[in-house]
Amino acid sequence: GESVGLHLPTLSVQEGDNSIINCAYSNSASDYFIWYKQESGKGPQFIIDIRSNMDKRQGQRVTVLLNKTVKHLSLQIAATQPGDSAVYFCAEKEGGSYIPTFGRGTSLIVHP
Amino acid sequence: GAGVSQSPSNKVTEKGKDVELRCDPISGHTALYWYRQSLGQGLEFLIYFQGNSAPDKSGLPSDRFSAERTGGSVSTLTIQRTQQEDSAVYLCASSRDPVGKGEQYFGPGTRLTVT
Repeated sequence: GESVGLHLPTLSVQEGDNSIINCAYSNSASDYFIWYKQESGKGPQFIIDIRSNMDKRQGQRVTVLLNKTVKHLSLQIAATQPGDSAVYFCAEKEGGSYIPTFGRGTSLIVHP
Repeated sequence: GAGVSQSPSNKVTEKGKDVELRCDPISGHTALYWYRQSLGQGLEFLIYFQGNSAPDKSGLPSDRFSAERTGGSVSTLTIQRTQQEDSAVYLCASSRDPVGKGEQYFGPGTRLTVT
């Protein structure tokens, strides 16, 4: 079946730097994408989402970019803080489907 | 308001024993999901409940796994004759609009260890 994957399993950054976490997807029918943050010992927490009719969406310190041409999704975190250290998952969902497909996750480590 | 809760938070069991994991979704959320997360891995879909409809059991790995959702609210995931490969974190999520926006709210998970 089609899958969602991540380019980098681990990303280490210094506090204050900007972080970029990437995700590739292969299902061209996917029209909804979500980023989740999972801290140690907790369940995933919704960060930001984007629909396929958009190419950029901004939240508080986070921006999601969608490039449908190359089927690529990224999460940008501005001024990364130690509290941002977590595993970040992308998920994609096809229109009309109720089951999202999750990527394997990228571990973000922020050094003070 | 209260989020999704799961119990127990940790469960250690001997191989061959049965276990029951509980999930209390957010009130008013009609959709409920169970996932399994092995160490360093993504989320593996197990089962989906939507209202009073028949559940989507397509992700259950074997007939040792089953789940129920009573009264459209609380759900129980049962694993019979547990095996060591069942060791994982079992996550429950609920959603208000599973087909549309699809945002899911996750519980903290139950860490299952089969010895």
